[in-house]
Amino acid sequence: DGGITQSPKYLFRKEGQNVTLSCEQNLNHDAMYWYRQDPGQGLRLIYYSQIVNDFQKGDIAEGYSVSREKKESFPLTVTSAQKNPTAFYLCASRVGVGTEAFFGQGTRLTVV
Amino acid sequence: QQQVKQSPQSLIVQKGGIPIINCAYENTAFDYFPWYQQFPGKGPALLIAIRPDVSEKKEGRFTISFNKSAKQFSLHIMDSQPGDSATYFCAASMLRYALNFGKGTSLLVTP
Repeated sequence: DGGITQSPKYLFRKEGQNVTLSCEQNLNHDAMYWYRQDPGQGLRLIYYSQIVNDFQKGDIAEGYSVSREKKESFPLTVTSAQKNPTAFYLCASRVGVGTEAFFGQGTRLTVV
Repeated sequence: QQQVKQSPQSLIVQKGGIPIINCAYENTAFDYFPWYQQFPGKGPALLIAIRPDVSEKKEGRFTISFNKSAKQFSLHIMDSQPGDSATYFCAASMLRYALNFGKGTSLLVTP
């Protein structure tokens, strides 16, 4: 089955730790995105990548980092510089401009 | 700043009613306007999308109305059912850029 796989589904982070969220797609999509969802805030763009080895900051990139070494993979690292990381993180991909974006099932990150 | 403004924040309708969710945007370069449906703990899924050269699009019980001059678009759900209870997001994008989402509307359809 084609789709986007995010892992893990739940993640707990201690204060001061970096954690990496995985996002893999087998849809052969060029563009991939990371969004953060907080209650009542909608989906806010963290980073996006249109092609391999290239990515751009979104609206709330501070405290996050990404890489795009393979077309299929777009991992997100939540660094210790992100002061309020507890949120639901969503990865998405789309084949190109003006097309449907497919979302993964999300990773819920909690700081403990 | 929020590029897409969505209202209302929450909505309760009875089964069979027609909930209407509205969105407004400022950037006239936006050329793709999708609506997404999200159930708790799941990722959003595309419901229906429209481009600015069309004023209305219908897919099953879901209809998008688009008013280019007013820079507004809305989602209508005909004959709503309890299974439609979810959070709905409007979005807009242009050219090569990412989708900009509204803050969402939590819809509850009562039996």
